[in-house]
Parts: sequence; structure tokens; C-alpha cells
Amino acid sequence: AQSVTQLGSHVSVSEGALVLLRCNYSSSVPPYLFWYVQYPNQGLQLLLKYTSAATLVKGINGFEAEFKKSETSFHLTKPSAHMSDAAEYFCAVSDQGGGKLIFGQGTELSVKP
Amino acid sequence: DTEVTQTPKHLVMGMTNKKSLKCEQHMGHRAMYWYKQKAKKPPELMFVYSYEKLSINESVPSRFSPECPNSSLLNLHLHALQPEDSALYLCASSQEGTSGSYEQYFGPGTRLTVT
Repeated sequence: AQSVTQLGSHVSVSEGALVLLRCNYSSSVPPYLFWYVQYPNQGLQLLLKYTSAATLVKGINGFEAEFKKSETSFHLTKPSAHMSDAAEYFCAVSDQGGGKLIFGQGTELSVKP
Repeated sequence: DTEVTQTPKHLVMGMTNKKSLKCEQHMGHRAMYWYKQKAKKPPELMFVYSYEKLSINESVPSRFSPECPNSSLLNLHLHALQPEDSALYLCASSQEGTSGSYEQYFGPGTRLTVT
């Protein structure tokens, strides 16, 4: 069965600092991987997705993620945090049939001025 | 346009009430989803419709009844809910539901409170 583990339920960074949110997946087949962001009282917004075309994926708002098969990881990074990045971030994996998304537990990102 | 709309934004209902949540998308997507999200938790899949047919029911209690009148609309009928059903209900759509490569687009959700 597929699963996703997000290390760190809460991450705090200073404005302008590097953002690193960790995601490890478990899948017996090549996975499809996604990062979503959720602002308070809103739905989820897709940041980026990996579907095997390229291991380094660039997304919206300056975020990117690198797929590392050897480490079964898909960590999300942003070079310089902005106050508006404060939100909940979810990593998710999808299998190759059925389109069912398996979410990690989420990481709450706080940005200090 | 990558918008999924949901109505109402907020809903308060008693345990004996019957109400419905509505979701709409005009992206030509053929798969639509209902999720339930409790505070500080990830969304939990409830139902998947693919080409207007129910393809996944994640063992959801019968007090939740989904309906897909056409490829753009998805309803969730609620009846005799319990206080623990209070949550944010999210609708999503994707190009189709048989391949996991298609991203899901989420609506803003309906905040449901059961009293």
C-alpha cells in the first residue's frame, strides 16, 4: 500500500530564509507525487506535481521539489521565505489507477518577520 | 479557468435536518471527488465519481449520499448527521479518474457544523 510521511508537523523559518519541507513516500510502483498548500479556511491549491518527466519540478510561488528515487523522497523547497508562505502544506501520492490521492499528515509552515 | 465552486460556504444543521452541499466545475473534467477534512488533519476521501458513475465509496455512512446529476455537478446529500460529522467538506475534480497522473483541483469547501 502506498503511504506518505511528512517529517515535522510544524516548521518555523525567518522571512528570507530557506524553506525545506520534507516528504517521503512508499510505493511499489513509480508514483505520481504532488504538493498542495492550504491557507486558513480555504481549499487546497496545487503547488507542483511529479509525473516522471523530470526529477526537478518547479511550481508556483517560487517553490520547487526534487524527486529522489533512491531516497524515496520528494522534498519541497523555496530559496527565500515570504510572510505570505505561512500555511499548511500537504504532500500526496497517487497510484497509477483510480486517481486516489494519499495525503501526508501535513506540515504547518510559520514565517517569522 | 481552473475553478471549482462550492455552495454554501457555511452550513449549520441539526441532527434531524436534511441538507445538500453543491459542487460545480466547468473545466470539462470527468472525475469529481468529495473529501472530509477535520481541523489540523489531511483531507479524507469519501467518494469518487468517474464519468458520472460512482467508482469509489470509502465505506462512508449512509447518512451521506452523493449524487452526480451531470459531468459538471456533484451533490452531497446529508441526513441525520452526528456532531462528529462537523468538518470542512471539500470537492475536487480532475481530468479523469482512472490515471493518477492528473492533478485534482479543489474547491474552497463548505464548513459544516452539526448541532
